[in-house]
Amino acid sequence: DTGVSQDPRHKITKRGQNVTFRCDPISEHNRLYWYRQTLGQGPEFLTYFQNEAQLEKSRLLSDRFSAERPKGSFSTLEIQRTEQGDSAMYLCASSDDRGRRYGYTFGSGTRLTVV
Amino acid sequence: DAKTTQPNSMESNEEEPVHLPCNHSTISGTDYIHWYRQLPSQGPEYVIHGLTSNVNNRMASLAIAEDRKSSTLILHRATLRDAAVYYCILRGANSGNTPLVFGKGTRLSVIA
Repeated sequence: DTGVSQDPRHKITKRGQNVTFRCDPISEHNRLYWYRQTLGQGPEFLTYFQNEAQLEKSRLLSDRFSAERPKGSFSTLEIQRTEQGDSAMYLCASSDDRGRRYGYTFGSGTRLTVV
Repeated sequence: DAKTTQPNSMESNEEEPVHLPCNHSTISGTDYIHWYRQLPSQGPEYVIHGLTSNVNNRMASLAIAEDRKSSTLILHRATLRDAAVYYCILRGANSGNTPLVFGKGTRLSVIA
């Protein structure tokens, strides 16, 4: 297992376009998390899944954002009608049920630039 | 989860030990202390965690004060590759499904 994979690494899009990011977690991990990080700040939680169920969504996740995790495997995060304020690094992480005592494994992120 | 306080930045010379402090005066008895670090252009990376006793692993050591109101992440010999942002995070045993909450962390610079 090579860890958590995110695709693409970089995405430049025009304002108003839709974008979709993919995250492949560690296969044995049933929990998957999405975070967003802007320059100089720590990662901010967006949403998380346990298997295929989306269990929590942050207030940061406006109705333009949607995340899915079909069959409890990979996950996608879609942003519709992108705005310049959506420019950030989008991070995915996975963990098993012990994540609150043990670690999360993060991917390298997808850097989104909205022009 | 309880709040932590870390210095915004620290500097170290290469091959010197580094002590990164974290204050968590409102820690509860069941809170675990976690440390993550984030290298430039990478996602955060788990470093170490502990509850009451000091902990060592291949990356670092974690020294926890007797009253648990503070802790120190120790890098025994800083290398240029250790330049990163270090996050101290508390994780309660009763956190249930609450995800990790990151603060701004400490930006460590390592000077050759």
